[in-house]
Amino acid sequence: DAKTTQPNSMESNEEEPVHLPCNHSTISGTDYIHWYRQLPSQGPEYVIHGLTSNVNNRMASLAIAEDRKSSTLILHRATLRDAAVYYCILRTPGNTPLVFGKGTRLSVIA
Amino acid sequence: ETGVTQTPRHLVMGMTNKKSLKCEQHLGHNAMYWYKQSAKKPLELMFVYNFKEQTENNSVPSRFSPECPNSSHLFLHLHTLQPEDSALYLCASSQNGVTYNEQFFGPGTRLTVL
Repeated sequence: DAKTTQPNSMESNEEEPVHLPCNHSTISGTDYIHWYRQLPSQGPEYVIHGLTSNVNNRMASLAIAEDRKSSTLILHRATLRDAAVYYCILRTPGNTPLVFGKGTRLSVIA
Repeated sequence: ETGVTQTPRHLVMGMTNKKSLKCEQHLGHNAMYWYKQSAKKPLELMFVYNFKEQTENNSVPSRFSPECPNSSHLFLHLHTLQPEDSALYLCASSQNGVTYNEQFFGPGTRLTVL
């Protein structure tokens, strides 16, 4: 799987939008971009994934650059419950499992 | 509640003990996974089972022995572990091993080896 680069940590105020960046300059044309998050004392949970087009779901939005070398996870209104480690993962088609990096630790300030 | 349960949630064992971790998924999935999460390290994939067949062993020492009797249950048998094996062990499942399937994780078993 291609590697991703994320900031170690970010901070946000409650009720404000959060943009979590991910660089993946060596992405191949068929790699999917997945985002997971891990809340304290819990296992990771799926957030969103995409291939080329921007994606929206009830949890977040995923903005993918036109050249696909970077992407941004957008939380539209951060809450205290969004404080977690966010992982950006590339996944090659086929029977390939997830490979987690260090992720970005998001702190949300009330 | 993700539909993936793990027992026990906490386990303390000596280096000479034998114990087993259990994972059960109630989602009708066909792929199951074991991950290890050590302090200050990324999650490491250990084993993958797809339709009860082991499809990946990520160079895991033989003191960890997985078992998948059916698509709903996954075990990790532990024997003669070392203190450095202390970690959070996470189980996950997905519909199958296909790329775009999201994985559902259990809460993990916090293992301490004395």
